Amino acid sequence: DGGITQSPKYLFRKEGQNVTLSCEQNLNHDAMYWYRQDPGQGLRLIYYSQIVNDFQKGDIAEGYSVSREKKESFPLTVTSAQKNPTAFYLCASTPGLLSSGANVLTFGAGSRLTVL
Amino acid sequence: AQKVTQAQTEISVVEKEDVTLDCVYETRDTTYYLFWYKQPPSGELVFLIRRNSFDEQNEISGRYSWNFQKSTSSFNFTITASQVVDSAVYFCALRAGTASKLTFGTGTRLQVTL
Repeated sequence: DGGITQSPKYLFRKEGQNVTLSCEQNLNHDAMYWYRQDPGQGLRLIYYSQIVNDFQKGDIAEGYSVSREKKESFPLTVTSAQKNPTAFYLCASTPGLLSSGANVLTFGAGSRLTVL
Repeated sequence: AQKVTQAQTEISVVEKEDVTLDCVYETRDTTYYLFWYKQPPSGELVFLIRRNSFDEQNEISGRYSWNFQKSTSSFNFTITASQVVDSAVYFCALRAGTASKLTFGTGTRLQVTL
């Protein structure tokens, strides 16, 4: 079955360390997104990518980096510059750009990052 | 700017009760889409419904129904005869104009008990 796979599901990191969260999709979707979820704050967009080798900052991109070398993959690196990285991270995808129509986001199961 | 307000942080009901989750949105665009997603304890958001701004028909899907009212900028979600499996966090979201992102509300946690 097609879907989005995120790994790891749980991750612990020491302060000052970078960590990379994996997101892989086999839906043949063009666009991919990373959201951050904090209690009581809903979902906030970190980065999104419309096509391979292209990506744009979302609302809270500082302290994060991404790459899109393959259509299927959109890894997120949480760098040591992110001041409050403990959160639940969700990867999503759409067949095309959200702005081009009524595309619906398909989500992965998320990765929970805890900084010790 | 777009904004989605879900004023109910948490709701607790007993199984078989009906429950309505409120969603109020703000946008200056005349073309927009509204969404509801369910987030069960497993964490993955599950799409429930999409409605565009030109379609004000209410929708019913089994025990779920949605009431879209442009006059009050609301897109409320009702679960009839709630079940324990309905326990989750529910998010309302908005995409307006040519925006390439969804604006999410802060979510409503629904707890259904026996």
